[in-house]
Amino acid sequence: DQQVKQNSPSLSVQEGRISILNCDYTNSMFDYFLWYKKYPAEGPTFLISISSIKDKNEDGRFTVFLNKSAKHLSLHIVPSQPGDSAVYFCAASDYNTNAGKSTFGDGTTLTVKP
Amino acid sequence: NAGVTQTPKFQVLKTGQSMTLQCAQDMNHNSMYWYRQDPGMGLRLIYYSASEGTTDKGEVPNGYNVSRLNKREFSLRLESAAPSQTSVYFCASRTSGPGSYEQYFGPGTRLTVT
Repeated sequence: DQQVKQNSPSLSVQEGRISILNCDYTNSMFDYFLWYKKYPAEGPTFLISISSIKDKNEDGRFTVFLNKSAKHLSLHIVPSQPGDSAVYFCAASDYNTNAGKSTFGDGTTLTVKP
Repeated sequence: NAGVTQTPKFQVLKTGQSMTLQCAQDMNHNSMYWYRQDPGMGLRLIYYSASEGTTDKGEVPNGYNVSRLNKREFSLRLESAAPSQTSVYFCASRTSGPGSYEQYFGPGTRLTVT
């Protein structure tokens, strides 16, 4: 059973508009959530994270929202830029018991059109 | 500061051959991880090492072994390669300090087993 799901394999948006990437999880023990960005032929790079004690974290154009009751988080990119075109992975961790391991979703490919 | 380095970048093996993927980090991180990524899928954890001298199985450990040689280096060995092990392999590391939960990834090794 997949514990972290990204139900949209792909998303296409126009430059300057908002991109919203979604992620659902099933394990209520997860207490920390991260988003990574991956370009082709490169390793993933950390983008933004949020602790379960918060419902929003913002870093420049990137904002992550967490809805614990719905076990749902989303990443908002405003405004979207062509350089944001990449695969975005959602990851979740239970750091108290899990030695820092993360469970990853399958990724969403974002394409930002000029 | 090179971050996380992996060698080789590409490898082609015949079924039954063995090889070792090398990973090193220069960030003085305690925890290290090996993942595999198959097309259209997320990162699946093969093995991890929470600290120097310890290793543990992840989600998909069968067919692999690991060695945490020292704090910097964490190698992954395929004793008898199978076509099902064709994948892209990523090594990652993470500090154990408070408030630092993101993982830093290497560029990956693309392995093909024929």
